Formats: sequence, structure tokens, C-alpha cells
Amino acid sequence: DIQLTQSPSFLSASVGDRVTIACRASQGMSSYLAWYQQKPGKAPKLLIYAASTLQSGVPSRFSGSGSGTEFTLTISSLQPEDFATYYCQQVNSYPLTFGPGTKVDIK
Amino acid sequence: QVQLVQSGAEVKKPGASVKVSCQVSGHTLSELSIHWVRQAPGKGLEWMGGFDPQDGETIYAEKFQGRVTMTEDTSTDTAYMEMSSLRSEDTAVYYCARGWGFGELGTYYYYGMDVWGQGTTVTVSS
Repeated sequence: DIQLTQSPSFLSASVGDRVTIACRASQGMSSYLAWYQQKPGKAPKLLIYAASTLQSGVPSRFSGSGSGTEFTLTISSLQPEDFATYYCQQVNSYPLTFGPGTKVDIK
Repeated sequence: QVQLVQSGAEVKKPGASVKVSCQVSGHTLSELSIHWVRQAPGKGLEWMGGFDPQDGETIYAEKFQGRVTMTEDTSTDTAYMEMSSLRSEDTAVYYCARGWGFGELGTYYYYGMDVWGQGTTVTVSS
């Protein structure tokens, strides 16, 4: 099974900050990685797929990069509505595991 | 566009079973790959299993093998997730989601899960 780790697990940031979240896989998986945003009491929302492709309707301040075992999600200028928990998920092989999540909170 | 609407909250006693439904609209269920993901209170997302378009079978996370059954009723475009022998650790929100990707029988590549149900809270308590 492919295990995913995320760092940091928690970060405190201000509106306008540039934020980067890392996701590391236990084995190489090309670009089969997705990123999700989840707000309290809501279902996750797909932000990025294929490691770097922005899902339709997602603001361009979100971007993804990486391949193999190292991936990053970047928010170029944090907005009030971006305070949430972010998860990576590998979709390379079963089981389709999720990372443990990164909570982005208001400083 | 595809929408997924789940059944309502459930409260069950330990040892009981629960069956959660996921009604598909905007598409036919037979053309979708539906997966199930759960989230315990204050915890992360956990993939439970789903329909594998590569071989047309349902695949389960090892943790849930033998205790969870995922089925589909194509006549009503409804997917189901049934879990037996419930224990307190199964208290969670259960989501159905569409596995989005490309390919066909034999080879399928996922992009991710792009459409989600609203979630069903299952509480297991004596």
C-alpha cells in the first residue's frame, strides 16, 4: 500500500500569505495525486488532479506540483474562504489512500 | 451534472448492521464508479472501497473486507454501503463519491473523486 504523509499538519497564516503544503508518498506514483479542501461539516472538494491540473471552477491562486514521491499544494495569496483542512490522495493504486490532512487556520 | 444524495442519519447499537444509500441523478449509475469514504469525528478521510472500472468488480480496503458490502441497484440508480458487526469505532460520517478518471475495462486511470454526497452520520452507541 502507498502511505502518504503531509506537512505541516497544522499551519497558522494570515490573509494574503503564500501557503505551501507538502505531501510525500512511500513509493513513486508518477502524477496520480489529487488535492482536496474540506470545511467543517462539509464534504471534501476536489481542487487539483493529476498533481498539477486545476479542477474546473477552482480559483487560480491554487496550484499543485510534483511527481514521483514529492508533491506540493500552494495557495499564492490566502483568502478568508481558504481556511480549511487540505488532504492529498493517491489514485495510483488500491487502496486509494488519503494523507492525514493539513489544517490551515487564521493567525 | 452528476449529483449524489445520501440517506439520513442512523443510530445503531453495537453488533447491528447499517445500510447507507447514495442516489445518483444526472447520470446513470452503471456508467459511474462510486466509492465510499468515511470520516470519524475529528479525524481524516478513510477510503473504504468502490467500483473498479478496470475489471468491473468492487474492491475493498483490507480493513473492511468481510464486514462491508457495496452494491448497486441500476434500476433505481442507487448505490448502497452495508456494514455489519458495528462497533463504537465505526461512528463516523460516511460519504459516497464518484471516482472520476478515464479508460475502460482492463485499464483505468483515476483523476480523483470529483462529486461527493452530503454525507451520512452513523452513530454506534449502546
